[in-house]
Amino acid sequence: DVKVTQSSRYLVKRTGEKVFLECVQDMDHENMFWYRQDPGLGLRLIYFSYDVKMKEKGDIPEGYSVSREKKERFSLILESASTNQTSMYLCASSSASYGYTFGSGTRLTVV
Amino acid sequence: AQSVTQPDIHITVSEGASLELRCNYSYGATPYLFWYVQSPGQGLQLLLKYFSGDTLVQGIKGFEAEFKRSQSSFNLRKPSVHWSDAAEYFCAVGLSGGYQKVTFGTGTKLQVIP
Repeated sequence: DVKVTQSSRYLVKRTGEKVFLECVQDMDHENMFWYRQDPGLGLRLIYFSYDVKMKEKGDIPEGYSVSREKKERFSLILESASTNQTSMYLCASSSASYGYTFGSGTRLTVV
Repeated sequence: AQSVTQPDIHITVSEGASLELRCNYSYGATPYLFWYVQSPGQGLQLLLKYFSGDTLVQGIKGFEAEFKRSQSSFNLRKPSVHWSDAAEYFCAVGLSGGYQKVTFGTGTKLQVIP
């Protein structure tokens, strides 16, 4: 089974902190994605990557950046966390033959 | 740009009753359509997908969905709901290629009562 692992299930950070959310997939997928999920808004795409060192903005990239130094790892970075970034963050990977697989999510609270 | 509408935020059904969750999409070309399920505290799991061919698609856990191009719809159905089906369901549409950028609906939360 393909696995997408997010390093933390729950995180609490202070306003202004730099926050790293890590995601690792074990199936050699080309594509990786970061979404945030908020009640009533569904999933919104923050950033995605089709290859190592390659990234593209999604629908809501402001306040976020990403890093993909290795194919299996895709990191989401909150440069200076704010309370409106309190949310559930979901990582996913996909390939042409397999489709999307999601991680279990990281619930981030910024206080 | 593609978009997805799930008009029902919350649905309650009795165990054993039939279920239909609505999904309408907007996309200029042939869409790639998906239904995902999310149990509380979990990530999303793929129920079924439509790329082409037979417009009635069978998925896991006894779910099916029908693609109706004339109505721009991809409704999810199940003939008899089980208590374990209580979850949130997301419809999604993808660009051609299917497994690249996907746009999700806002979700429908299903409650199952005994």
